[in-house]
Amino acid sequence: EAGVAQSPRYKIIEKRQSVAFWCNPISGHATLYWYQQILGQGPKLLIQFQNNGVVDDSQLPKDRFSAERLKGVDSTLKIQPAKLEDSAVYLCASSSAGPDEQFFGPGTRLTVL
Amino acid sequence: QQQVKQSPQSLIVQKGGISIINCAYENTAFDYFPWYQQFPGKGPALLIAIRPDVSEKKEGRFTISFNKSAKQFSLHIMDSQPGDSATYFCAASTSGSRLTFGEGTQLTVNP
Repeated sequence: EAGVAQSPRYKIIEKRQSVAFWCNPISGHATLYWYQQILGQGPKLLIQFQNNGVVDDSQLPKDRFSAERLKGVDSTLKIQPAKLEDSAVYLCASSSAGPDEQFFGPGTRLTVL
Repeated sequence: QQQVKQSPQSLIVQKGGISIINCAYENTAFDYFPWYQQFPGKGPALLIAIRPDVSEKKEGRFTISFNKSAKQFSLHIMDSQPGDSATYFCAASTSGSRLTFGEGTQLTVNP
């Protein structure tokens, strides 16, 4: 089966600019996650969707980050405006049931200058 | 407490040796403990996982040892190979909740 797809793979922006990332989960997976992975650290969950609904966004900086999941399939994560500390790899993952056995995409490496 | 503490930060072993990575947690409600393997430029991939009803789980060269009373679990890689060189993350969760990851261990296996 095809894995989790993410685009773009790399993005360089200036601080205060906006950026958006796209994720297409594994077909049939109801649960979708966005993680932020800062260099040298483990992934940190930003938001979890179950179908169209948000299950957990407690660690999402809502003043600048937003996410949506269109029709319970694809998802976009947006940062507006970006800060230097947002430089990280943004990982999308999906699972068929709960947080167990999450399948990760390759990530988008964001550099904010 | 939601933290998962992982050690060592980096590890170098010779081919054929045993690699051991340790994790400790505080939240006694955690009931799922996976290990993920991440290669440069790739997302993490599930390697092996354990639940607290067993003390050990083995899959090929990879073994998780779990000590519920000490709130610790470890990954053992037997007969380590250069292809095992990657970053390894432990994680923990309670049923239906988010995974909390450790800080990662960069493993290098020298030929």
